[in-house]
Amino acid sequence: DQQVKQNSPSLSVQEGRISILNCDYTNSMFDYFLWYKKYPAEGPTFLISISSIKDKNEDGRFTVFLNKSAKHLSLHIVPSQPGDSAVYFCAASGVGGGSQGNLIFGKGTKLSVKP
Amino acid sequence: GAGVSQSPSNKVTEKGKDVELRCDPISGHTALYWYRQSLGQGLEFLIYFQGNSAPDKSGLPSDRFSAERTGGSVSTLTIQRTQQEDSAVYLCASRLHSGANVLTFGAGSRLTVL
Repeated sequence: DQQVKQNSPSLSVQEGRISILNCDYTNSMFDYFLWYKKYPAEGPTFLISISSIKDKNEDGRFTVFLNKSAKHLSLHIVPSQPGDSAVYFCAASGVGGGSQGNLIFGKGTKLSVKP
Repeated sequence: GAGVSQSPSNKVTEKGKDVELRCDPISGHTALYWYRQSLGQGLEFLIYFQGNSAPDKSGLPSDRFSAERTGGSVSTLTIQRTQQEDSAVYLCASRLHSGANVLTFGAGSRLTVL
């Protein structure tokens, strides 16, 4: 049973527009959430994170929103750029990195930004 | 090193052969993880090393998989008697300590079992 779900395998947006990537989770013990970006033939790279004590975290063009009651988070990229085209993974962990110390990842959403 | 290094970057092997994948984490990072990504899937946790503690092996899919971390640094993931379903990208990650949430990943080792 997937604890972290990214229900959209792909998303295509026009350059300059907003990209919204969604993620749902089932485990209420998760208290830290991260987004990773992955280009082909490279490892995932950390993008932005949010603690469960917050509902929004912003870093430049990237903003993550957390709705704890809905167990839902989203990543907004605005304005989107062609270089943002990549696979985006949502990840979650519990206190201190989880009982296993690891992150639980979603299956990823492939974002394509068209020039 | 400056980043997490993995080798080989690509490995093609025949079914039934053993393979070893190597990970050199960031210097000073006490925690090391192995994940794998099969085609169309997310990152699947395999094993976790934290300092001198016993590793968390709960993600290993079968007893054909094993990993060790020598001297608290380099780690080797070994897959014995490989099967076609083992084909995946094997990713290693490290983090500074158990209280840090951000993992730094290597580029991965792509394993193809024919």
